Amino acid sequence: DGGITQSPKYLFRKEGQNVTLSCEQNLNHDAMYWYRQDPGQGLRLIYYSQIVNDFQKGDIAEGYSVSREKKESFPLTVTSAQKNPTAFYLCASTEPSGANVLTFGAGSRLTVL
Amino acid sequence: EDKVVQSPLSLVVHEGDTVTLNCSYEVTNFRSLLWYKQEKKAPTFLFMLTSSGIEKKSGRLSSILDKKELSSILNITATQTGDSAIYLCAVVYASNTGKLIFGQGTTLQVKP
Repeated sequence: DGGITQSPKYLFRKEGQNVTLSCEQNLNHDAMYWYRQDPGQGLRLIYYSQIVNDFQKGDIAEGYSVSREKKESFPLTVTSAQKNPTAFYLCASTEPSGANVLTFGAGSRLTVL
Repeated sequence: EDKVVQSPLSLVVHEGDTVTLNCSYEVTNFRSLLWYKQEKKAPTFLFMLTSSGIEKKSGRLSSILDKKELSSILNITATQTGDSAIYLCAVVYASNTGKLIFGQGTTLQVKP
């Protein structure tokens, strides 16, 4: 079945450590996105990529980095520069049809100890 | 500043009740409005609305867009415990990038 796989589902990190969240899709979608979800704030866009080897900052990119070396993969690194990284992270993708209907992964919950 | 606001933020009802969730927006270059249902994990797509006044329906759920009022409502009739979830509203404001602005979400709890 086609879909988006995020891993790990749960991750604990000590302050000062970088962590990388994986996102893999087999939907053959060109565009991929990373959102952060906090209680009461909805989803906020971190980074997005419309094509391999290209990506753009979203609204809250500070303290995060991404790469898009393959169409199927869009990993997100939460760096030690991110001041409040504890959150639920959602990866999504969409077809380049203009419909903009996102398909989401199941998410990764990061907790900083 | 572009924004999407949902109300209420949380709602508790009993099975069989009808609920109406609201989404209002102030977005330049509006293209479409999307509703998603999120049950603990991945949000799942419910509706996409682009034209004002045309109701979309799926079983007990329905939604309509009012471009004059810059708002949309999501109705759920004869609620069931399985309807308990966060309902997210999002507006597409730049279709060439696929960027969306999400509201805060409405948390619905349906009690037996």
